[in-house]
Amino acid sequence: DAGVIQSPRHEVTEMGQEVTLRCKPISGHNSLFWYRQTMMRGLELLIYFNNNVPIDDSGMPEDRFSAKMPNASFSTLKIQPSEPRDSAVYFCASSPTGGIFQPQHFGDGTRLSIL
Amino acid sequence: DQQVKQNSPSLSVQEGRISILNCDYTNSMFDYFLWYKKYPAEGPTFLISISSIKDKNEDGRFTVFLNKSAKHLSLHIVPSQPGDSAVYFCAASAGQAGTALIFGKGTTLSVSS
Repeated sequence: DAGVIQSPRHEVTEMGQEVTLRCKPISGHNSLFWYRQTMMRGLELLIYFNNNVPIDDSGMPEDRFSAKMPNASFSTLKIQPSEPRDSAVYFCASSPTGGIFQPQHFGDGTRLSIL
Repeated sequence: DQQVKQNSPSLSVQEGRISILNCDYTNSMFDYFLWYKKYPAEGPTFLISISSIKDKNEDGRFTVFLNKSAKHLSLHIVPSQPGDSAVYFCAASAGQAGTALIFGKGTTLSVSS
């Protein structure tokens, strides 16, 4: 079975540009999570969706960040305009929703560098 | 304020010996605890979990112990192998499937042969 797929794997862009990160969750998983990893703060939750509906976006750092999940098989995380301090590794994860707790499965991340 | 803490940034162990990674938490509402392993340039991979109603869970060489009164959990790897060298993250959740995880900052384990 295919795991969580993220694209691009690497993104280098100049400050002020729009950045769009993409995620395809595991088929049948109705919960999708976006995390960011930095040296200072470790792995922190940005936002998560259940059944395509945003449940908690309190981790989104600023209005420059937005996330969408138009259908069960696709999500985007957008940064506009991007700033150097947004440089980090962004992970997407998915899991089943409801019932007995099950672990989240992570993609391999997008390494974002804002110059 | 960190709700999940891994106070040791790194740990070095010889092959064949036991590795013990520790994790402390502050939120009494957490009811599931997980350990993830991460290699460079890859995403975290689920390793083992434990429910708050248990105090031990074992899977092959990996055992997780939970001490609720101390709000402490640990991961034991016996015997340690060079392939176990990675960053280990402790994570916790309060709720059923589909709720977010709170992660510790990780411990880098190095197993030398």
